[in-house]
Amino acid sequence: QLQLQESGPGLVKPSETLSLTCTVSGGSISSSSYYWGWIRQPPGKGLEWIGSIYYSGSTYYNPSLKSRVTISVDTSKNQFSLKLSSVTAADTAVYYCARNPRGYCSSTSCRLGWFDPWGQGTLVTVSS
Amino acid sequence: QSALTQPASVSGSPGQSITISCTGTSSDVGGYNYVSWYQQHPGKAPKLMIYDVSNRPSGVSNRFSGSKSGNTASLTISGLQAEDEADYYCSSYTSSTVVFGGGTKLTVL
Repeated sequence: QLQLQESGPGLVKPSETLSLTCTVSGGSISSSSYYWGWIRQPPGKGLEWIGSIYYSGSTYYNPSLKSRVTISVDTSKNQFSLKLSSVTAADTAVYYCARNPRGYCSSTSCRLGWFDPWGQGTLVTVSS
Repeated sequence: QSALTQPASVSGSPGQSITISCTGTSSDVGGYNYVSWYQQHPGKAPKLMIYDVSNRPSGVSNRFSGSKSGNTASLTISGLQAEDEADYYCSSYTSSTVVFGGGTKLTVL
């Protein structure tokens, strides 16, 4: 059974970089059928897609966060990671990682799919 | 790509059926059959309930069903049970981006 687990610091100072890792177990991150995504949820608010990565390193980002986000993959460790720079209190949220089916791909881009399964989530607080 | 529009809350009594709407545009919900629905209980991760408008993953009760008409997708829960009380989110994935709805709180009276 595929499982995902987020890890990283629970407290980050304003203006610094938030760094999280998602470890995939029970399956290979190098599957050709899936992207791997990050989603966040501020306390008491809704879900926001951050971005997704393929095992080859191909990435797609939410346009509203693109300038501050970097997602990378380490296939040897079956992990993918999130870095969000110049954080503010507005970046305080529960951060989830999830598997993201790869849809139809044209010559320039691929359609992403739904998210399943999800990790349990990790709360990251931005505060000095 | 703007967030999809969901009602803030819906309610129903045990045994009844309820429907949660998710309104987008012809560029997302209306143009493609790429809508998913998630259930989230307090303090828990979201759980996939419906994908590609009307498909149920293995293990999801057949009391949950999805449909679409024009620019609006819908999640219907029949035979409402106390355990269905949760937040529900829709999502559209028509291209290389994903957008979520604002979420709907379902209260079972």
